[in-house]
Amino acid sequence: GAVVSQHPSRVICKSGTSVKIECRSLDFQATTMFWYRQFPKQSLMLMATSNEGSKATYEQGVEKDKFLINHASLTLSTLTVTSAHPEDSSFYICSAFSSGGPDTGELFFGEGSRLTVL
Amino acid sequence: AQSVTQPDIHITVSEGASLELRCNYSYGATPYLFWYVQSPGQGLQLLLKYFSGDTLVQGIKGFEAEFKRSQSSFNLRKPSVHWSDAAEYFCAVGAGGTSYGKLTFGQGTILTVHP
Repeated sequence: GAVVSQHPSRVICKSGTSVKIECRSLDFQATTMFWYRQFPKQSLMLMATSNEGSKATYEQGVEKDKFLINHASLTLSTLTVTSAHPEDSSFYICSAFSSGGPDTGELFFGEGSRLTVL
Repeated sequence: AQSVTQPDIHITVSEGASLELRCNYSYGATPYLFWYVQSPGQGLQLLLKYFSGDTLVQGIKGFEAEFKRSQSSFNLRKPSVHWSDAAEYFCAVGAGGTSYGKLTFGQGTILTVHP
């Protein structure tokens, strides 16, 4: 089946630095991707919708200047956590909506990226 | 606003026993319903989904779910649980059209399987 890859899977950074997380659709094109955040022992919360070639759409309460999303190609969306602080530590998961090929219309999730801010 | 409730935070069953995980949703229109499974530190794997048609949906790994509109429920079932089914299970609701993919998840149910 279709694969969505996230990189890095784990990252540790110092407070105040910025961290970039990549979400790639490996064998299909995705004009739309989604970024979720999952706190320990909690559910996933949708942060934003990433649209190829246009600005991301953020959910209410999500700081767009804090969580920068770029969807520069049909297979790659990036989430940059700017000036990270310990409260940004979380598990970030992306999903990609297949817009072509045999899996058109299906939704696939990445493996997640665990961010720890010291 | 849409919401999903999974009343059971943690369920323990014996291997070979039957399983039912509860999910109740709140949604103004016809919902798109999903069940996902997550192993520790991993992403989500789709077990099954319901959009329309037959209200009993078959999924992977022997799972099934039944959509009951009158009860706003979409419970997940498996007749005989295997030790490898131990994981966390999430029920999710979404919309169709241009909002497809914007999912609201329940709190999750952790399944423990005893040998």
